[in-house]
Amino acid sequence: AQSVTQLGSHVSVSEGALVLLRCNYSSSVPPYLFWYVQYPNQGLQLLLKYTSAATLVKGINGFEAEFKKSETSFHLTKPSAHMSDAAEYFCAVSSGGTSYGKLTFGQGTILTVHP
Amino acid sequence: NAGVTQTPKFQVLKTGQSMTLQCAQDMNHEYMSWYRQDPGMGLRLIHYSVGAGITDQGEVPNGYNVSRSTTEDFPLRLLSAAPSQTSVYFCASTLGAGEAFFGQGTRLTVV
Repeated sequence: AQSVTQLGSHVSVSEGALVLLRCNYSSSVPPYLFWYVQYPNQGLQLLLKYTSAATLVKGINGFEAEFKKSETSFHLTKPSAHMSDAAEYFCAVSSGGTSYGKLTFGQGTILTVHP
Repeated sequence: NAGVTQTPKFQVLKTGQSMTLQCAQDMNHEYMSWYRQDPGMGLRLIHYSVGAGITDQGEVPNGYNVSRSTTEDFPLRLLSAAPSQTSVYFCASTLGAGEAFFGQGTRLTVV
């Protein structure tokens, strides 16, 4: 079985500040890890993914995440927050193989960006 | 490309009614899934499919049926709607280990 825990259901930062959204996972097999973003009343959009290549993954809109196997973590960061980053962010894990279509999601973190 | 198309976008049902949520993808993806999104719970997998004619249950399958007769379509059927099924439903398609592409969602209210 696999699971995802996102620490903090709400994170608030000032514009220009560092964004750090935390994600820890558990998986019995090497995982595929993803971060998705959801803007109000929209579907989910992929920010970045880890699929066993480089442990530091760069995504869209200046976001990046580092896979740390020893800590079972995949935290999402952005050096400087922008107002347009305000959204809900989801970390997700898949175990691959015939489970490619099966994502297990964390509960989500709502990011608020203050001027 | 349209990507993943879900219909309808909004629906209100009375308890006990049945309905089908439609999902179609035009990317020739093998894997398709249905999720429900509830506040504070993230997205939870209802059913998924690894190809035409092959489906399996996810985490919360009770009260829902699926079938996959073609690669493109993956409808979700609510057999007898209950207030607990009030939620936002998302369909997704995936090619291998790549990203999942999500539809815009169906907001369902059961009264």
